[in-house]
Amino acid sequence: KNQVEQSPQSLIILEGKNCTLQCNYTVSPFSNLRWYKQDTGRGPVSLTIMTFSENTKSNGRYTATLDADTKQSSLHITASQLSDSASYICVVSPQWGSGGGADGLTFGKGTHLIIQP
Amino acid sequence: EPEVTQTPSHQVTQMGQEVILRCVPISNHLYFYWYRQILGQKVEFLVSFYNNEISEKSEIFDDQFSVERPDGSNFTLKIRSTKLEDSAMYFCASGDSGFQIGNTIYFGEGSWLTVV
Repeated sequence: KNQVEQSPQSLIILEGKNCTLQCNYTVSPFSNLRWYKQDTGRGPVSLTIMTFSENTKSNGRYTATLDADTKQSSLHITASQLSDSASYICVVSPQWGSGGGADGLTFGKGTHLIIQP
Repeated sequence: EPEVTQTPSHQVTQMGQEVILRCVPISNHLYFYWYRQILGQKVEFLVSFYNNEISEKSEIFDDQFSVERPDGSNFTLKIRSTKLEDSAMYFCASGDSGFQIGNTIYFGEGSWLTVV
């Protein structure tokens, strides 16, 4: 069964500090991995999308890495801001026609990040 | 930034009633999705829709649920005979190609459904 596990479940850091969120997945064969930011009560917003051939992708202060061999990804946030407080969700898609089910997207439970002033 | 819009933002309904959640996907998109998120839990896939028909659905999407694209712009989710456990945030999403292509999928802001 395809699974996406994220850690930590929650994280509190001080404004201005850096942090790294982890994502491990069992989806195979693998097509792409996405990181979404979800503010409380709002819809997920895409941060990065990486295919299996990409190792890193940046979007401003967000940098995602991917190791397709070990099936691990991380999201690094630099110089955190209060507005970064949100849930960060890792989403993995298998290759087309691989029988991944549910149109291919497997969502992690997310890491709840709180930035304190 | 293109937007997927959803209405209503919040609906309270009595158990056993029918609800219709509406979505306006981004205009040039061809793939449409409904997801739900029960409070405190992860996002769950319900159904995908392409070329005016369901392309895939999850175990959650049973006979209680149906989707429709009645007029070429709206994309609706109908829940018949609602149950307490249907209380959740329902997200509509759209994309110009399938998820496997690696394109950006845009989510709406969600519709909170509370069944009492």
